Amino acid sequence: KAGVTQTPRYLIKTRGQQVTLSCSPISGHRSVSWYQQTPGQGLQFLFEYFSETQRNKGNFPGRFSGRQFSNSRSEMNVSTLELGDSALYLCASSPDLFDYNEQFFGPGTRLTVL
Amino acid sequence: QQQVKQSPQSLIVQKGGIPIINCAYENTAFDYFPWYQQFPGKGPALLIAIRPDVSEKKEGRFTISFNKSAKQFSLHIMDSQPGDSATYFCAASLYQTGANNLFFGTGTRLTVIP
Repeated sequence: KAGVTQTPRYLIKTRGQQVTLSCSPISGHRSVSWYQQTPGQGLQFLFEYFSETQRNKGNFPGRFSGRQFSNSRSEMNVSTLELGDSALYLCASSPDLFDYNEQFFGPGTRLTVL
Repeated sequence: QQQVKQSPQSLIVQKGGIPIINCAYENTAFDYFPWYQQFPGKGPALLIAIRPDVSEKKEGRFTISFNKSAKQFSLHIMDSQPGDSATYFCAASLYQTGANNLFFGTGTRLTVIP
């Protein structure tokens, strides 16, 4: 079974631009969560999607948004990029959100904002 | 505000040694405590997890010790190997606000010397 895939793997943008990252979960998994990983703040939860609906949201500004499609694939969008948005963005999938299932992480998208 | 505090930040042990990584949490409502292992260029992968109704859990060479009254839990790696060199993250979540919303510690970089 293929793992979680994220595209692109690397991205360079400039301040003020917007960016869209994509995540394909493991086949059959319906929950997709997004995390931001930085050296200073560590791993922080952004949001979780299940059945095309945002179910949980972390403490991030509204510039960070996401969506999920009917095939469970998910995208996250960051608008008006700031230097501090430079990070590794990780996507994780799990079968559902109703139990403590293992979350499987993708390799991440490394975003650099210049 | 860091909901899960992890120490040490880095750890160097000889092959065969038993590294111990400690975590402490504030929210007594947390009811799921996983440990993740991350290699460079990869996303975190679940190692082992524990619920607060048990004080210890072993899986292979990895053991979690859990002290509910002290709000602390730790990871022990028995007979450590150079291949265990990675960054380890503790985490916590609660079903009430989202089982998949993980609050991560800041990570411990483990180096096992041959």
